[in-house]
Amino acid sequence: AAGVIQSPRHLIKEKRETATLKCYPIPRHDTVYWYQQGPGQDPQFLISFYEKMQSDKGSIPDRFSAQQFSDYHSELNMSSLELGDSALYFCASSLVGEGEQYFGPGTRLTVT
Amino acid sequence: AQKITQTQPGMFVQEKEAVTLDCTYDTSDQSYGLFWYKQPSSGEMIFLIYQGSYDEQNATEGRYSLNFQKARKSANLVISASQLGDSAMYFCAMREAQAGTALIFGKGTTLSVSS
Repeated sequence: AAGVIQSPRHLIKEKRETATLKCYPIPRHDTVYWYQQGPGQDPQFLISFYEKMQSDKGSIPDRFSAQQFSDYHSELNMSSLELGDSALYFCASSLVGEGEQYFGPGTRLTVT
Repeated sequence: AQKITQTQPGMFVQEKEAVTLDCTYDTSDQSYGLFWYKQPSSGEMIFLIYQGSYDEQNATEGRYSLNFQKARKSANLVISASQLGDSAMYFCAMREAQAGTALIFGKGTTLSVSS
């Protein structure tokens, strides 16, 4: 079965640079979520989209923005990167009304 | 207050034994969902099992079952017949209907299975 696809899988950036993470949900899933997992931490919810509209917002810094496109893929844009942004970034998808959120493999971002 | 509490930082079990990973939750919402995810050392988050607050039967998926005790606000994961490949971090998570779509995770339990 098709899973959530994230690209790139690994990314190294320097402080103050920008990064764009991409997420392709499971086909027919209409809801996308972004989570950030710091080293040794549990995942923290950043933001979610349903049918290309932002549905919920969590602890997403103002330096970050995200959107969902007409083909349902989503991009997380991160600017003015800081060392503390180094983390594993997960995208998850689901069908609205269904409980399960299926996670992608994650993008490991390292800021140096 | 913690919404999801996993009190066992680490658990050790031998192959073929059953193991229970504890999870308690805190919510005033009547409608919520409880989830368990497995995170191997490779990093991916693998969905294991889901229990809705209105589900009367405990959820089961293969070797995984969720022992849902609503009055005690607990949602323990039971893994039967442990395998070496079960060694991983296990996260309990909750979604509250009134809080939207976000999953709130516990701190996780590291399970080590030995032969």
